[in-house]
Amino acid sequence: SQTIHQWPATLVQPVGSPLSLECTVEGTSNPNLYWYRQAAGRGLQLLFYSVGIGQISSEVPQNLSASRPQDRQFILSSKKLLLSDSGFYLCAWSVQSNYGYTFGSGTRLTVV
Amino acid sequence: EDQVTQSPEALRLQEGESSSLNCSYTVSGLRGLFWYRQDPGKGPEFLFTLYSAGEEKEKERLKATLTKKESFLHITAPKPEDSATYLCAVQAGSGGSYIPTFGRGTSLIVHP
Repeated sequence: SQTIHQWPATLVQPVGSPLSLECTVEGTSNPNLYWYRQAAGRGLQLLFYSVGIGQISSEVPQNLSASRPQDRQFILSSKKLLLSDSGFYLCAWSVQSNYGYTFGSGTRLTVV
Repeated sequence: EDQVTQSPEALRLQEGESSSLNCSYTVSGLRGLFWYRQDPGKGPEFLFTLYSAGEEKEKERLKATLTKKESFLHITAPKPEDSATYLCAVQAGSGGSYIPTFGRGTSLIVHP
């Protein structure tokens, strides 16, 4: 069966520090991968998506970047965090673009 | 621009009191409508996909229906464990990436 792993669950980082959040998927090949941010009262905002290794699409300009070094690995990064980067970050995968997503357990990031 | 509106924002029910959540959408070329359940501090859990008007799907006490303008999530005789935020997402046929647009969710609390 397919599973998705996302870590860490909670992270507190100072302003200006770097960020690396990792997501891995097991039990499937060539998944579509997604990074979302969820802010209270604002719903899910798509940050990046990837349909293959090295293929990254960005939905909104921001202080973050994403990479897909392996088929089932998706990384969200920042060189210097801002206070506004605080939020709940979710990784997700789907087998095809018109299928429902399977989400990871999320990372609660607080920038102080 | 694709729009997805969920109502009500919050709903309180007594155990056994059936009700419905609404997801109205304005999109060009619906490809799919998705319902998710999200517990506090966790990632959304996929419930249903509906593809065409008139389609219905059921899972335990939940039943999702779809028309050309909206979808309903009917909850029959809810239990306290049904308390969660329910998210709706709509995928349209324009643009090619088929990235779904999420609503802001309905927070459901079922009192024993």
